[in-house]
Amino acid sequence: GQNIDQPTEMTATEGAIVQINCTYQTSGFNGLFWYQQHAGEAPTFLSYNVLDGLEEKGRFSSFLSRSKGYSYLLLKELQMKDSASYLCAVLDSNYQLIWGAGTKLIIKP
Amino acid sequence: GAVVSQHPSRVICKSGTSVKIECRSLDFQATTMFWYRQFPKQSLMLMATSNEGSKATYEQGVEKDKFLINHASLTLSTLTVTSAHPEDSSFYICSAHSPDSNTEAFFGQGTRLTVV
Repeated sequence: GQNIDQPTEMTATEGAIVQINCTYQTSGFNGLFWYQQHAGEAPTFLSYNVLDGLEEKGRFSSFLSRSKGYSYLLLKELQMKDSASYLCAVLDSNYQLIWGAGTKLIIKP
Repeated sequence: GAVVSQHPSRVICKSGTSVKIECRSLDFQATTMFWYRQFPKQSLMLMATSNEGSKATYEQGVEKDKFLINHASLTLSTLTVTSAHPEDSSFYICSAHSPDSNTEAFFGQGTRLTVV
């Protein structure tokens, strides 16, 4: 079966750095996405990785290792507004998105 | 980026009534749209794939007669929850893939349905 694993909840301090991990087992791979979702809102796109390595975009970076079935989202200089759920999703061989359950990130002052 | 608009954002209805949710791609043509359901503190669950001009493809366990999907044009897909019950209360979200590639998904704003 297809499976995406990520921690249920993480807590970090404002101004700090946090890394959210995601491991996956899917039928085929056409890329991995990270989305941010605030409570009661639709997800918003953060990053897309299809090749191994690190993609940096401002305070957010995303890493992918296809051989390990592993990705992480790195958030730097955390702000209170970063408190949200972070969803990892993999595009499988049928170009269908397989979603993780999401990681709720709590930022404390 | 591409824009997907979903309406209404919130709706409260009585048990037994039907509710229609619209999903529009505003600046691109979407031959395929996706309908998701999300329960509190859970991830997105794909309900069905909406195909323009043809029948929707439903995921296992999703009642096609209860969740009617119509994709009559390249910019509009609708989801109708028929004979709604309190257990249908949920967050419904539509999405469409970027027209520039078959990858990034753009989401509507979501619809919070409450059945009383």
